[in-house]
Amino acid sequence: DTGVSQNPRHKITKRGQNVTFRCDPISEHNRLYWYRQTLGQGPEFLTYFQNEAQLEKSRLLSDRFSAERPKGSFSTLEIQRTEQGDSAMYLCASSRGQHNEQFFGPGTRLTVL
Amino acid sequence: GNSVTQMEGPVTLSEEAFLTINCTYTATGYPSLFWYVQYPGEGLQLLLKATKADDKGSNKGFEATYRKETTSFHLEKGSVQVSDSAVYFCALSLNSGYSTLTFGKGTMLLVSP
Repeated sequence: DTGVSQNPRHKITKRGQNVTFRCDPISEHNRLYWYRQTLGQGPEFLTYFQNEAQLEKSRLLSDRFSAERPKGSFSTLEIQRTEQGDSAMYLCASSRGQHNEQFFGPGTRLTVL
Repeated sequence: GNSVTQMEGPVTLSEEAFLTINCTYTATGYPSLFWYVQYPGEGLQLLLKATKADDKGSNKGFEATYRKETTSFHLEKGSVQVSDSAVYFCALSLNSGYSTLTFGKGTMLLVSP
């Protein structure tokens, strides 16, 4: 048990709908990351927060994606106007420390029909 | 850019066999190196790490040595068990304040009794 929780664990939606995922990091961790993992691939970085500040975004994060961490604790990832290509596992991780040891949550599996 | 290359799987072994999973990397700086493991139906777990050249990370009988001269971080275990069946991911992060993880594609290990 890594201590990072994500909700929901599974989400099925129709193309064009909006979806929102939540991540609760380990309580003393000030860094929070979102990754996306498709079948047969390793996780790919999407975005990063240090406390409430979003410090880095991948070019994978299109305008339809938005992430927030309003109080430096939990984070949300919203996808607007979902497309079938958005189907993937969305992973959240948190860390604290100089050498960036990240602890991952169980992920949210999104299926866009 | 930064990248990680792993040997393709699946790797199929009998119990008590010796395991090697190859991992090489390219990086623009001096990275920290990690092995993560993903058991069926579970999230990513950190297996071991090494933060500088010639460091050896070890955990649960697994070992990997950070080889700067060959830009490698191969995972080894002397005697695998059925319970080691999982997908193994090699990853790197640059030793900056908030660097993200770059993952390989993963290598599936299947251990039979």
